[in-house]
Amino acid sequence: RKEVEQDPGPFNVPEGATVAFNCTYSNSASQSFFWYRQDCRKEPKLLMSVYSSGNEDGRFTAQLNRASQYISLLIRDSKLSDSATYLCVVNILLYSGGGADGLTFGKGTHLIIQP
Amino acid sequence: NAGVTQTPKFQVLKTGQSMTLQCAQDMNHNSMYWYRQDPGMGLRLIYYSASEGTTDKGEVPNGYNVSRLNKREFSLRLESAAPSQTSVYFCASRPGYRDLNTEAFFGQGTRLTVV
Repeated sequence: RKEVEQDPGPFNVPEGATVAFNCTYSNSASQSFFWYRQDCRKEPKLLMSVYSSGNEDGRFTAQLNRASQYISLLIRDSKLSDSATYLCVVNILLYSGGGADGLTFGKGTHLIIQP
Repeated sequence: NAGVTQTPKFQVLKTGQSMTLQCAQDMNHNSMYWYRQDPGMGLRLIYYSASEGTTDKGEVPNGYNVSRLNKREFSLRLESAAPSQTSVYFCASRPGYRDLNTEAFFGQGTRLTVV
């Protein structure tokens, strides 16, 4: 089982629509959680961190359910500029005893906003 | 602000040739990482360095070696390139494992083709 699983899409939605992405992770020891955005042929960039209490940044809302090992991202009033690949990312300690951690990426969900 | 700088941006190698991908960060981060990204596979960790003087294998280390030259620089070497190493390579850095909720900063990527 892949450590971080996402629906690859593509999601084709009209401008102004609300779109939701889901992600599940397998390692219950995962420490922190993120959504990254990656534009075509560019490097990934942080969209937002995800906290257990849920958090919002403008049109974007992220939720974390540790019991279900589930992360979500909601985009409201989608814009053409939201077209990108959205990567679900979890952070785990890379070996016992601490000292090193690393980000494990889902394969990404491709979003296309249509005018 | 430079952030994470990778060189080269593009490279074509013949099978069996060797090369070194260079990465430098100017954010005084302890942790540095090398990922590769292939279509449909997402980003996969090749090697990481938790701090200056330490390196460890990630998910897909075969065929690669790394050097953490100093706190700023982390290089990735392909000793004998194979077509299976055709990929986009990203270097990333983070402050360190004690800062679990901080983002990773990525270089712009190296597009490597092995023919």
